[in-house]
Amino acid sequence: DVKVTQSSRYLVKRTGEKVFLECVQDMDHENMFWYRQDPGLGLRLIYFSYDVKMKEKGDIPEGYSVSREKKERFSLILESASTNQTSMYLCASRGSGGDSYNEQFFGPGTRLTVL
Amino acid sequence: KNEVEQSPQNLTAQEGEFITINCSYSVGISALHWLQQHPGGGIVSLFMLSSGKKKHGRLIATINIQEKHSSLHITASHPRDSAVYICAVRSGAQKLVFGQGTRLTINP
Repeated sequence: DVKVTQSSRYLVKRTGEKVFLECVQDMDHENMFWYRQDPGLGLRLIYFSYDVKMKEKGDIPEGYSVSREKKERFSLILESASTNQTSMYLCASRGSGGDSYNEQFFGPGTRLTVL
Repeated sequence: KNEVEQSPQNLTAQEGEFITINCSYSVGISALHWLQQHPGGGIVSLFMLSSGKKKHGRLIATINIQEKHSSLHITASHPRDSAVYICAVRSGAQKLVFGQGTRLTINP
């Protein structure tokens, strides 16, 4: 029973290319998140969205943008990829309802290499 | 100093050993999560707790709110338990703050 899917497991791009990472969840969750994970740094929040067309910057938004046109889909965009954006990218989603204990579900991750 | 600190960063043990991974945090929280990440990247949630203790199979998670500390224990460890274990805390309504993870290797 797949809950959060990401468009690619592995991606190789060249410096300067525009890169789209897609995330889809089937749980009707309001909240969706994009993280990057690097050795020694753990997971860091890039952007999150708490509703359609709504977005908020996380801790490291520079060089990234996002799009949420439909509730189930949250896209991460690298306008001009750079080598320091080589990383594992993880998408997650979470429900709302005033319950701060809601579980967060993660996608399988996309390992992006920028050459 | 990170808001969430895990120890140890790496742990290697023999099959059958009792394992303890620790997590300390410096912010007020509403919930603490223990996550497991196997090679290949996917993350699954093991526990979500705000007080006391939870048990699932061979895994036990405890939290002490006053001391701002949580532990994850694995009894009768097995090579399939080898993974990265991540502690994360929710201090606001939306965001999780993650520890750097503990890489556990269980040798047969």
